Order: sequence, then C-alpha cells, then structure tokens
Amino acid sequence: DTGVSQDPRHKITKRGQNVTFRCDPISEHNRLYWYRQTLGQGPEFLTYFQNEAQLEKSRLLSDRFSAERPKGSFSTLEIQRTEQGDSAMYLCASSRPRGLGRSGANVLTFGAGSRLTVL
Amino acid sequence: QQPVQSPQAVILREGEDAVINCSSSKALYSVHWYRQKHGEAPVFLMILLKGGEQKGHEKISASFNEKKQQSSLYLTASQLSYSGTYFCGTERDNSNTGTASKLTFGTGTRLQVTL
Repeated sequence: DTGVSQDPRHKITKRGQNVTFRCDPISEHNRLYWYRQTLGQGPEFLTYFQNEAQLEKSRLLSDRFSAERPKGSFSTLEIQRTEQGDSAMYLCASSRPRGLGRSGANVLTFGAGSRLTVL
Repeated sequence: QQPVQSPQAVILREGEDAVINCSSSKALYSVHWYRQKHGEAPVFLMILLKGGEQKGHEKISASFNEKKQQSSLYLTASQLSYSGTYFCGTERDNSNTGTASKLTFGTGTRLQVTL
C-alpha cells in the first residue's frame, strides 16, 4: 500500500494557461474524490468517481474544470484557461466501502495534494 | 450544505482537555473526523455511524447525536502532537437510494497545544 499519489506537487502557471493534475489512488480503492482547499478553509468537494463512472460533480465546478478516470484507475483533473481564483491546493482522496449496512461508509485516504498558483 | 464547527480556534496547555463540535442541518449517515497539520494532507481519525455510537482512540473520542445531527470530538490530556486543524466531514443519509454520498467538510477548528 503506497498511499494516494498526486503529481505534480506544485504548479505555478500564468493566467489563461491549462493545467492538469494526476492522482493515483490506493489500488484496491474503487472510489476517487477531488477536493479543493484554500487557506483556512476545509476541503471543498469537486467531484467523485466510482470505478470509471463520474457519479457527482459540484456546481462549483465550472465548464473550465474536467475530470476523468479512464479504466477506473488513475484520475486526471484539468483546469482550462486558469484564473487567479483557481489558486488552491487540489486534494485527491480514495476510499472503498467499509461494507457496513446498505451503503457502507467511506473512509477517505488523502494524497499530499497539488498546490496550484496562478499568476 | 457545509457542517458548522465550533469553536473556530482553541489554544490549550499540554494536559488540558478540549471539545470540538460539528453540526449539520441535514440527516446524516456518518460523521468523520480528520486532523490536518500545516502543509500536510488531512489524516483520518475516526468515523461514527448513525445510531448514536461513541468511539475512542487513545485519548481522543467522539460521539454522534443522531437526533440533533451533531457530533463532538473530545481530546483529553492534550499533547503537543494534537496541534493542527480538525475537520468534521459529514455524509448525508441517502436511505432512499441506498448509496453512499460524498463527504462535506466543515470549516475546521484550529487547535494549538502549548507547553
């Protein structure tokens, strides 16, 4: 178990450029989440996948944001035409259902995050 | 909707106790507690499922009041290593669909333990 890996750890870009982040979840986890965190705030939900299906997407996620999880393994989060307001830590987390009850309860394991700075 | 945490910040001397509260306006299936140290990812502490259970982990325990949709995290005899920001994450009760939903995190409680 190597944990959740994110790449790159830091990205500095100019406004208007596109950026892509990658997340490799724990191998036996079928759920993968993307969160965004700004200074002094809690993680803010962006989207999540169960296997390769994107099950929910936040209304906060504008058309400039897209996430994929081909083959249900790693995931990418792309931000097009970045804006200064996109500057944040982008956290990826993965989980598997604990098998309790009907739905199971997801314990999230977070990656170290990808910090984006838009100049 | 984002759960509300209180207090926003607390400073303790080593050995003192603290309580952090988390409340939601929605029916919950579970409440999760995470701790995040500066510059690091959030780390899972414990999970409480609806049914009003209480859990403990060394000197850190938590309770979940299903009627009030509130959870409290209890830190006793605090240690320097307890410093960090504590987040509750709530999972809504999707009884109708029988599926788990995302975690929605509170704004956090910053805890500082001093000598």
